[in-house]
Amino acid sequence: NAGVTQTPKFRVLKTGQSMTLLCAQDMNHEYMYWYRQDPGMGLRLIHYSVGEGTTAKGEVPDGYNVSRLKKQNFLLGLESAAPSQTSVYFCASSYSGGGGANVLTFGAGSRLTVL
Amino acid sequence: AQSVTQPDIHITVSEGASLELRCNYSYGATPYLFWYVQSPGQGLQLLLKYFSGDTLVQGIKGFEAEFKRSQSSFNLRKPSVHWSDAAEYFCAVAGVGSARQLTFGSGTQLTVLP
Repeated sequence: NAGVTQTPKFRVLKTGQSMTLLCAQDMNHEYMYWYRQDPGMGLRLIHYSVGEGTTAKGEVPDGYNVSRLKKQNFLLGLESAAPSQTSVYFCASSYSGGGGANVLTFGAGSRLTVL
Repeated sequence: AQSVTQPDIHITVSEGASLELRCNYSYGATPYLFWYVQSPGQGLQLLLKYFSGDTLVQGIKGFEAEFKRSQSSFNLRKPSVHWSDAAEYFCAVAGVGSARQLTFGSGTQLTVLP
């Protein structure tokens, strides 16, 4: 009964380094999302996917790339990390269709610090 | 564009007291509305949701929320707060059938005094 699992949970990067955050879900959900959470700003959508092989931009996509090669996995990449990308990143997933698409199951988060 | 306002950044209540967290939304039609709770170091957990029908919805952990269209509000309430309710609470709004357009408020941090 794992739900949504994010790895790693913590990471410290230097400016300009690259890294990938992995999200895995075992609920056979069609939709997957990456959010970032910053103090006083709630959660903001970075990218999302409505199915295997598809991705789309959210509210704050710049500096990030994503891939959904398998239905259960959604990867978030930072090609050249910047201090502005210091944040807590949350992955989420949901069923497709109607209101179910809006009921999200979240992972526990990945805290990224860029020095 | 849709938006959510949670006017209270931080609320402190005593254990056993009643609680009301405010949420106002902006959306052109009938929205889907949600309350999520985030405990320290954890992801968000769904408390309750409103899609249609009865405007008073019941959720987990004894929470309820009332959708008031005339006031564009979806306030969260609990009659008696427990120490374990201390957490951050997020209101969210989504367009009908729209997967990506889930917009979160900035959150309300709840502190519970013994």
